[in-house]
Amino acid sequence: NAGVTQTPKFQVLKTGQSMTLQCAQDMNHNSMYWYRQDPGMGLRLIYYSASEGTTDKGEVPNGYNVSRLNKREFSLRLESAAPSQTSVYFCASKPGTEDSPLHFGNGTRLTVT
Amino acid sequence: SQQGEEDPQALSIQEGENATMNCSYKTSINNLQWYRQNSGRGLVHLILIRSNEREKHSGRLRVTLDTSKKSSSLLITASRAADTASYFCATAQYNFNKFYFGSGTKLNVKP
Repeated sequence: NAGVTQTPKFQVLKTGQSMTLQCAQDMNHNSMYWYRQDPGMGLRLIYYSASEGTTDKGEVPNGYNVSRLNKREFSLRLESAAPSQTSVYFCASKPGTEDSPLHFGNGTRLTVT
Repeated sequence: SQQGEEDPQALSIQEGENATMNCSYKTSINNLQWYRQNSGRGLVHLILIRSNEREKHSGRLRVTLDTSKKSSSLLITASRAADTASYFCATAQYNFNKFYFGSGTKLNVKP
């Protein structure tokens, strides 16, 4: 079991470029999440998908789009990257049961110049 | 943040001492969870306490929850150098589907 796998691990973009961050989980979890982590800010929820076929906004959705491609995969797209999107991005997943924890990937470190 | 704050932001103690960190939140919750993050890694779940529970133990970890004050604390007893990490609380809201994190406490345990 790989758990939650994020690709790429590192990425440098120029302002205005686009890219998609990939996330896949092999635990048959229903819910998947995208967070960003900035120094001193903790983790902020960007988007989440409670189940296959649904997506909802979190605290900071502006500038991002998501796709729940199937039960395993949840991608995050930056259409026109901005320096303010420089951050570490974490994907997480969770089973459908109520009191279950999040399982995190190891993150994608994104720098926008 | 919709979650609130954790304090202290940073904590430095000697090995063998106890470490206490606190978390406050703003809205009603289904449960509250604590996570640990080692430098450069993803978060790892430590312990979960339900909204109708007041205290929970797991090994050297003790968590309390006071829903009237919207606060929780995490106590790590007999700390070890390997406990050096950042610790985050997260609250589950909206039918257990939405999770909000605090800003974290950075713990340094000196050998």
